[in-house]
Amino acid sequence: TAGITQAPTSQILAAGRSMTLRCTQDMRHNAMYWYRQDLGLGLRLIHYSNTAGTTGKGEVPDGYSVSRANTDDFPLTLASAVPSQTSVYFCASSTQGSSTQYFGPGTRLTVL
Amino acid sequence: AQSVTQLGSHVSVSEGALVLLRCNYSSSVPPYLFWYVQYPNQGLQLLLKYTTGATLVKGINGFEAEFKKSETSFHLTKPSAHMSDAAEYFCAVSEQTGANNLFFGTGTRLTVIP
Repeated sequence: TAGITQAPTSQILAAGRSMTLRCTQDMRHNAMYWYRQDLGLGLRLIHYSNTAGTTGKGEVPDGYSVSRANTDDFPLTLASAVPSQTSVYFCASSTQGSSTQYFGPGTRLTVL
Repeated sequence: AQSVTQLGSHVSVSEGALVLLRCNYSSSVPPYLFWYVQYPNQGLQLLLKYTTGATLVKGINGFEAEFKKSETSFHLTKPSAHMSDAAEYFCAVSEQTGANNLFFGTGTRLTVIP
């Protein structure tokens, strides 16, 4: 069972460039989430989507955008990367009505 | 609003010793509480969760946690540490089923000394 896949595994990006982090789940979960993990700060929610076609802002949304064209995919886009966006990014999903989130393996992004 | 405090960013125990990782939360409504484990270079894996009912929750790998409302705590314990328990542990809280957000603590890195 694949669960949640994220791509790429890691990336080095020049400041000012754009990038899309991909997330795909095969569990038919309604809700999907993007978190960033930074040392000493734990995980913080960037954006979420409760169902296909809807998205919402989390705790740290600035500089990021998302779309949810279908149930399975939830890409995260950095329009113009800055060094403070260097982080490990985790995608997660959950079924409607469940409080349990399942996490992908993460993408390590370095912005220089 | 919810928040989580994990006391001790690093905890070291000897193999076979008791593991105790502390988590306190604040929530204006009854919370749902979670412990996740993260092994090196991996994503987060759910260890256990409390939603309703019995306050002592048993999870995978011999871990358990007890929800104490009066102390606003959800400490994670394991009677006997194993080398394979070395990882980072995150406590998290959500306000209600299907909530948009899990609020995470800053994590506790557990080291097991042979």
